[in-house]
Amino acid sequence: DAMVIQNPRYQVTQFGKPVTLSCSQTLNHNVMYWYQQKSSQAPKLLFHYYDKDFNNEADTPDNFQSRRPNTSFCFLDIRSPGLGDAAMYLCATSRVGNGGYTFGSGTRLTVV
Amino acid sequence: AQKITQTQPGMFVQEKEAVTLDCTYDTSDPSYGLFWYKQPSSGEMIFLIYQGSYDQQNATEGRYSLNFQKARKSANLVISASQLGDSAMYFCAMFRKSSGDKLTFGTGTRLAVRP
Repeated sequence: DAMVIQNPRYQVTQFGKPVTLSCSQTLNHNVMYWYQQKSSQAPKLLFHYYDKDFNNEADTPDNFQSRRPNTSFCFLDIRSPGLGDAAMYLCATSRVGNGGYTFGSGTRLTVV
Repeated sequence: AQKITQTQPGMFVQEKEAVTLDCTYDTSDPSYGLFWYKQPSSGEMIFLIYQGSYDQQNATEGRYSLNFQKARKSANLVISASQLGDSAMYFCAMFRKSSGDKLTFGTGTRLAVRP
């Protein structure tokens, strides 16, 4: 089945140690998104790619970066994770203009 | 700026009864879409139902229906015949084509189904 896959499902990282979360899709959707969701809060958009065009939200910290080497893959890099970055990170895809999002299962990040 | 409001942080419902989760939105765009997602404790975001701003009829998907009142800017989710597996967080979200394909979420409602 076509889907959005996030790896790993759970990630534990040390304070200040760079970490990368990955997302892949078999839907051939041209838009990919990264959302951060802290406990009991709504998902918050960090950035999204429209094909190769990167779009950063104004309030996304510089500590967060992203790469999209091809249509299928997108990575979220956290350069120096702090305790406040512990959250669920959700990847989603859509075909431009129709709003039909498909979400991955998320990566739950713990910072120790 | 667009805004999604879910005023019920938590709700209880008895198994097999119907429940309505409220959602109001604010936008001046004529073209938009409204979504409801279910998020169980495992964390994945599960699509439930969609309503387009130009749709004449309320959307239905199995036990889920959307009570769309455009003039009041409300898009309430109705779950009929609640099941224990419906216990989860529910998010209302809005999509506008003019916003660059971004989806904005409400704060969510936690639903607990009692046996």
